[in-house]
Amino acid sequence: AQTVTQSQPEMSVQEAETVTLSCTYDTSESNYYLFWYKQPPSRQMILVIRQEAYKQQNATENRFSVNFQKAAKSFSLKISDSQLGDTAMYFCAFKTSGSRLTFGEGTQLTVNP
Amino acid sequence: GAVVSQHPSRVICKSGTSVKIECRSLDFQATTMFWYRQFPKKSLMLMATSNEGSKATYEQGVEKDKFLINHASLTLSTLTVTSAHPEDSSFYICSGGSGRGSYNEQFFGPGTRLTVL
Repeated sequence: AQTVTQSQPEMSVQEAETVTLSCTYDTSESNYYLFWYKQPPSRQMILVIRQEAYKQQNATENRFSVNFQKAAKSFSLKISDSQLGDTAMYFCAFKTSGSRLTFGEGTQLTVNP
Repeated sequence: GAVVSQHPSRVICKSGTSVKIECRSLDFQATTMFWYRQFPKKSLMLMATSNEGSKATYEQGVEKDKFLINHASLTLSTLTVTSAHPEDSSFYICSGGSGRGSYNEQFFGPGTRLTVL
């Protein structure tokens, strides 16, 4: 069974600074998909960024980028130029093409003014 | 991204009553719907997976007679909490997948907060 681990229950960062959220996973599959979701206080789940395991290039979406290390089974999220609206719970998730999403326990990120 | 709605957004009911939560895919056909439960500051726990026109598959430990799931059409799935008790109070989230694309992206509804008195 696949597992996803987020070792940082809470993190904080000053506005305009950069923060990195950690995620590791365990799987025996060779092809899979990784995601970072954001859940703000409204509790609406929002897809932040996704990575396909067979792509070596790290995904980037504006201020959000990932560091995907397949051999180490690591998938960290870097948020640059943090904004107050980035305050949210962030979930790392794993999926194969035929399976459901497996979520990590989440990291509560607080951006301080 | 595609839009999923949930209704109601909040519901308060008395212990022993049943509550129905609707999940609709507004601009795509959801061949698969997922129902999650989330406690405060915790991750999403998958309760069940349903495919249109067939019975839902429940996760271990989820009472299928208590949490009735119906996925009668490609745009509507319902979760009925039967004989609700205070311990059923939680935040319930649905998501839909179209089955398209290599990774079958799931689109999440805004959630329903259930409070059982």
